[in-house]
Amino acid sequence: GAGVSQSPRYKVAKRGQDVALRCDPISGHVSLFWYQQALGQGPEFLTYFQNEAQLDKSGLPSDRFFAERPEGSVSTLKIQRTQQEDSAVYLCASSLASSIYEQYFGPGTRLTVT
Amino acid sequence: DQQVKQNSPSLSVQEGRISILNCDYTNSMFDYFLWYKKYPAEGPTFLISISSIKDKNEDGRFTVFLNKSAKHLSLHIVPSQPGDSAVYFCALHAGGTSYGKLTFGQGTILTVHP
Repeated sequence: GAGVSQSPRYKVAKRGQDVALRCDPISGHVSLFWYQQALGQGPEFLTYFQNEAQLDKSGLPSDRFFAERPEGSVSTLKIQRTQQEDSAVYLCASSLASSIYEQYFGPGTRLTVT
Repeated sequence: DQQVKQNSPSLSVQEGRISILNCDYTNSMFDYFLWYKKYPAEGPTFLISISSIKDKNEDGRFTVFLNKSAKHLSLHIVPSQPGDSAVYFCALHAGGTSYGKLTFGQGTILTVHP
């Protein structure tokens, strides 16, 4: 079956531009997560949705970061007025509610802010 | 304040021998422990997990050990194969107000030589 897909795979943005990153989770997975992975580090939690409800956004680094999942399936992570420190790989993961720990990751979007 | 540490950035092993990857943590509230494997340009892939009520879980060539008193987690791969060469992350789940959120270590690059 289809796994988690993310688009675009690569994004180059000039400092100050807004970007939108898309995640298509595995069909039937009610839980959806966004993580940020800096070079040489492990993924760091950003936010968590259960269906359309954003239950935890404690990891979003600033109010420039915004995530939504309006219909409980596809999710978008938006970053406004990008800064160089936003350069990272943004990973999306989904899971079943019954085994929330076992998260299935997409390939990520590599964002480079110049 | 790093709650999860993988102190070995890299590990090199001969094919057929045992690979041992280690992970230390500080928070006693972690209740579920996972290992993920990551190939370049791909998202992390779930490998094996263990709950806090157990001390060992085995799946084929992979065994995870949990020592709660030492706050130490390890992954044993035996026998190691060249296809096991990848970055390995431990990921820990705390539950409670952090329900769903995984906290990752920095990763260990495993290289298995033929």
